[in-house]
Parts: sequence; structure tokens; C-alpha cells
Amino acid sequence: QLQLQESGPGLVKPSETLSLTCTVSGGSISSRSYYWGWIRQPPGKGLEWIGNIYYSGSTYYNPSLKSRVTISVDTSKNQFSLKLTSVTAADTAVYYCASRGYSYASGFDPWGQGTLVTVSS
Amino acid sequence: QTVVTQEPSFSVSPGGTVTLTCGLSSGSVSTSYYPSWYQQTPGQAPRTLIYNTNTRSSGVPDRFSGSILGNKAALTITGAQADDESDYYCVLYMGSGIWVFGGGTKLTVL
Repeated sequence: QLQLQESGPGLVKPSETLSLTCTVSGGSISSRSYYWGWIRQPPGKGLEWIGNIYYSGSTYYNPSLKSRVTISVDTSKNQFSLKLTSVTAADTAVYYCASRGYSYASGFDPWGQGTLVTVSS
Repeated sequence: QTVVTQEPSFSVSPGGTVTLTCGLSSGSVSTSYYPSWYQQTPGQAPRTLIYNTNTRSSGVPDRFSGSILGNKAALTITGAQADDESDYYCVLYMGSGIWVFGGGTKLTVL
């Protein structure tokens, strides 16, 4: 059964780059059956889709974040990563990694437990 | 950018039926938007309830159902229970690989 776990710094300074990693277990990140993605949730607010990546490297990003986001895959470590540049306090959020089946009909499932990232000096 | 709309809050009596909706600021939701629904309790990751409009995720009770009602996607809870008190989110596929979440509905069971 697929399981995802986020990791990375819990505190990032303004204007710096937020970097998170999602480790996949119970399946291969090179599988053609899944997209891998990031979703975030500011404290007390709703969910926001950040982007997805396919094993081939094809990426899809939220247009409002596209200029600052990079999602990549490391097949040797069975991980995928998120980089968000030039962060501000508005990027403070719980960041979730999640998988989605290859078909658009698939929901986002499973989800990681989430990791809180605070942007503060 | 198109906004996905949900009722900010809703309340239901125990044992009652409630329908939450997921719409668009412009246009109608159809099955081609592949709506899915998620339940989230405080401090927890979201849990998938429904995907592909009306397919229940594994282990989800059949009192949760999804549909298209008029021009919106809908999540109906029949026989609401106290532990259904949660935040509910929908997400829609906008094309070109883009997904957009609704703002969420806070459901109170009282």
C-alpha cells in the first residue's frame, strides 16, 4: 500500500527558498500509474493545489505559483521534491504531498501527514 | 482564474441528510471536471471520500454519496453522525493539468 511522508525544514526565512521532500514507500515513484503532487494549507484556511509531476518529468503547476515553484523526482531515492523560491509569510502553511492515479478520474490519495513550514525571520 | 465555490458552513441534525455543493464562479460543473471530495478533521490530513464524481473511496460508508446536481457537484451525507462534523473540500480538474480546490465547507452536526 502506497505511503507518503514529507520532510524538510520547519522554518524558512523570508526571501529564501522552501525545500521539501516526499518519500514514497509501498510503490515505485517510476510507476506509470501515478502522478505525484504537493498541496498546501495555510493555518485556518483551505487547501491549495501547488502542482503535480509524472515519473517522466512532466510537470503541472498552479498558475498563481508557477513562477516560483519547481517539483522534481529522484528515482534513485524514490522521492519527489518541492522548491518554492522567494517565500513570504503568505507561504506559511502545512504542506502535504499526495499521489493521484494516472487517470483524471482518480482522486488525490493517499496523502502524507503534512508538515508545517513557517516563514519568519 | 476560475473560482471553485463551496458553502462556507452548513449544519445538520444527527440522523439528518445534508447536501454540500461545489460550483464554479463561471459555468457549470460536469463529470468532465472529475470532482472529488475530501473530509478533514482538525490537525489531520484530508481523507478521500469520493472521486470521479460518485465513486466512494475504499472504506467510506455508503451514507456518503456524490453526484451532479444541476450545475454543481454535490456531496450528500445521509444519516449524519456526530463524527461527520468536519471540513469538506472538493477539487475540480480545470484542464491542462490544473486542479483547483474549493474553499471548503465547515459542517456542524447538532
